[in-house]
Amino acid sequence: GESVGLHLPTLSVQEGDNSIINCAYSNSASDYFIWYKQESGKGPQFIIDIRSNMDKRQGQRVTVLLNKTVKHLSLQIAATQPGDSAVYFCAENRGGGFKTIFGAGTRLFVKA
Amino acid sequence: GEEVAQTPKHLVRGEGQKAKLYCAPIKGHSYVFWYQQVLKNEFKFLISFQNENVFDETGMPKERFSAKCLPNSPCSLEIQATKLEDSAVYFCASSVTANTEAFFGQGTRLTVV
Repeated sequence: GESVGLHLPTLSVQEGDNSIINCAYSNSASDYFIWYKQESGKGPQFIIDIRSNMDKRQGQRVTVLLNKTVKHLSLQIAATQPGDSAVYFCAENRGGGFKTIFGAGTRLFVKA
Repeated sequence: GEEVAQTPKHLVRGEGQKAKLYCAPIKGHSYVFWYQQVLKNEFKFLISFQNENVFDETGMPKERFSAKCLPNSPCSLEIQATKLEDSAVYFCASSVTANTEAFFGQGTRLTVV
């Protein structure tokens, strides 16, 4: 069935290194994609989004890449910091946008 | 308000009891979404509203779950006759338009015992 999923359930990186979190989606009709960060005991926090008419978008220390050909989304975090430790969810908004479908999440551990 | 406010933060109910959760969206946001998160896993979409109108309720177990967003009142999610498997964190989110950034509340942790 259709789903938004993540390739790896956990990712461990050294402080200062770059992190890459990947996501696959299956619905080619999706036109809006979002990355959320969830810290323990808190609600998801918006990080960055991208629409289907773009293939790259940059924020502060974060970059999202969208490859519509292979239905792949990635989040790159530059110079990863301990405060980046959290679970990261990709999500897709399926044409019309009345619901956003979340993937399973990737836990990022940052080693000092 | 400037943030999505969910109450209560924690709720404990005996199996078969009713549970009611509340959500005040950010002022000016027309869209409200409810999600269920079990064991910190993925979010299950429940229902979305545009103002007081339901737009998508495909995720709602309709026999026991109901939700409302009435003018000048917090939105609510009610579970009749709770079951053990309803134990989860329920998140509410709001957004200005249907497919723009959604802001999430801190969630209500429901524990059914």
